[in-house]
Amino acid sequence: NAGVTQTPKFRILKIGQSMTLQCAQDMNHNYMYWYRQDPGMGLKLIYYSVGAGITDKGEVPNGYNVSRSTTEDFPLRLELAAPSQTSVYFCASSYGPGLAGNTIYFGEGSWLTVV
Amino acid sequence: DAKTTQPPSMDCAEGRAANLPCNHSTISGNEYVYWYRQIHSQGPQYIIHGLKNNETNEMASLIITEDRKSSTLILPHATLRDTAVYYCIVRVAPGSARQLTFGSGTQLTVLP
Repeated sequence: NAGVTQTPKFRILKIGQSMTLQCAQDMNHNYMYWYRQDPGMGLKLIYYSVGAGITDKGEVPNGYNVSRSTTEDFPLRLELAAPSQTSVYFCASSYGPGLAGNTIYFGEGSWLTVV
Repeated sequence: DAKTTQPPSMDCAEGRAANLPCNHSTISGNEYVYWYRQIHSQGPQYIIHGLKNNETNEMASLIITEDRKSSTLILPHATLRDTAVYYCIVRVAPGSARQLTFGSGTQLTVLP
């Protein structure tokens, strides 16, 4: 049982490049999330999904896209990378909706630098 | 959505109890209080959660006031490894599903 697995752990992108952050969970969780955390700040929700085929925007979705073709995977796509997207990205999952007695499990993070 | 207020930083001596307060005066009746922590450069880690009653697990105790407007996380015997940012969460992020939104938290520093 690996929990939530994110790849890559570190990446440097040039301005205008695109990339996909991969996220997989093996806990059969319905809910998956992508957060970003800027230095010294709290986490901000980018996108979330309540099940395969269903995604919705969070607090800071601009510049990102997601898909959820399977229960296990929830990739985050960055199109036309900008320096403002330099951050640490965390993927997370939970069995049910947060704040309803369901614990959210986090991956170890992906450090992204856009230069 | 309920908003939380936490002190930005606290110190605690190693071996002593660490008491981290959180104010959530606008909490709704069906919202849980969650505590997570984030050790430097790692993903957030679940600690404990509760609705109305006080809760205890192997990591910590959670004391919720009777009116549910505030709570306290207690680490009974703090160690250096407990140095982290502690997040108190009850807020619901935008969207149909009830998601967690993390604020700035409390930086707890355990001193030797």
